Amino acid sequence: NAGVMQNPRHLVRRRGQEARLRCSPMKGHSHVYWYRQLPEEGLKFMVYLQKENIIDESGMPKERFSAEFPKEGPSILRIQQVVRGDSAAYFCASRYGTQNTEAFFGQGTRLTVV
Amino acid sequence: GESVGLHLPTLSVQEGDNSIINCAYSNSASDYFIWYKQESGKGPQFIIDIRSNMDKRQGQRVTVLLNKTVKHLSLQIAATQPGDSAVYFCAEDLTQGGSEKLVFGKGTKLTVNP
Repeated sequence: NAGVMQNPRHLVRRRGQEARLRCSPMKGHSHVYWYRQLPEEGLKFMVYLQKENIIDESGMPKERFSAEFPKEGPSILRIQQVVRGDSAAYFCASRYGTQNTEAFFGQGTRLTVV
Repeated sequence: GESVGLHLPTLSVQEGDNSIINCAYSNSASDYFIWYKQESGKGPQFIIDIRSNMDKRQGQRVTVLLNKTVKHLSLQIAATQPGDSAVYFCAEDLTQGGSEKLVFGKGTKLTVNP
């Protein structure tokens, strides 16, 4: 059973381009979370998704950011028209359910905007 | 803002000593807490969790203590080893408005000196 898989591990984009980050949860997990981490900081919650549903997007910037978790395939975090301030590590976590169950994290995607 | 914080940003110990990492939380309704370890360039790794109906839980070389009266968590690492050097985060499992998500503090960087 592979862990949470994120790709790419490193992504470089020029200002104004789009970034697409992918996350495949652990087998059997239907709850996916995205977090952003700046250097020397903690992980900031962005969005919580279940299959085909956004449950909580209270941590997502209002513009340029979107997320989806389709019925088939990985969860996608999409950042349009990237700016230098978007440079960060983006982590995905998955859970089997809620009710106080452990969340497993992927290795992250490090986005650099030049 | 985040409801989980840490008392010390850095901690340096000698190999073989015991380490204690502290964490304060502010949501008295939270009933599940997790400690994660994050090594450089990697995703957070689960260490140990505790539910609010317990005040102590032990794992292999690690112990988590929960004091609900003062809303305080601590992680104790026995016989600290160089491989324990990492950033440690406590996370609070926050259930709010139909959503359940982990809220992280900034982290404590543990350095183990040989």
